[in-house]
Amino acid sequence: DAKTTQPPSMDCAEGRAANLPCNHSTISGNEYVYWYRQIHSQGPQYIIHGLKNNETNEMASLIITEDRKSSTLILPHATLRDTAVYYCIVGPQGGSEKLVFGKGTKLTVNP
Amino acid sequence: GAVVSQHPSWVICKSGTSVKIECRSLDFQATTMFWYRQFPKQSLMLMATSNEGSKATYEQGVEKDKFLINHASLTLSTLTVTSAHPEDSSFYICSAKNTRKETQYFGPGTRLLVL
Repeated sequence: DAKTTQPPSMDCAEGRAANLPCNHSTISGNEYVYWYRQIHSQGPQYIIHGLKNNETNEMASLIITEDRKSSTLILPHATLRDTAVYYCIVGPQGGSEKLVFGKGTKLTVNP
Repeated sequence: GAVVSQHPSWVICKSGTSVKIECRSLDFQATTMFWYRQFPKQSLMLMATSNEGSKATYEQGVEKDKFLINHASLTLSTLTVTSAHPEDSSFYICSAKNTRKETQYFGPGTRLLVL
């Protein structure tokens, strides 16, 4: 079973920031938080991952709470192409372990 | 980059035939690859973990004799669906571990339709 909880759906206006929450209250000390997204009929796309510090890359920012029990993925200026299902997954670093996908959050960016 | 390709992108076959799907890591070597399956309106489910040069590890409930996995090189893993049936129709997705970037990258998926 997935170790994360996400809202099933969210809406966001184009050009605004999209903040996607994720709860992972049972995360272990050596587990990372990974975010992927899946646009319809495509394979998942890696977005970002982190351990306890906030992370930022060209796609998004990841904010992890101090107790590491929850995190937020931020898309700073959402576009229509960001409409997708976003998956928050916890797992060990390295990518050698299987990723357990939950149901994710369906983000719809509206014009 | 971290590009993973799959071939074919879609395939239609008759019941009882076998179908081979290739997964390649284009710009990195992958000692470990994973095969997932996704049915409509559902999330991805891991089928098996493929390690280069050794036998694949299958998840509970996945028939290893039906879904043959070969990982003969550091850039190629293949999944063969043997004696396919309509219930095997699904979206098959592979991922590859990029050691340098310490995460997994996914292929674009292969849609299989068994008639």
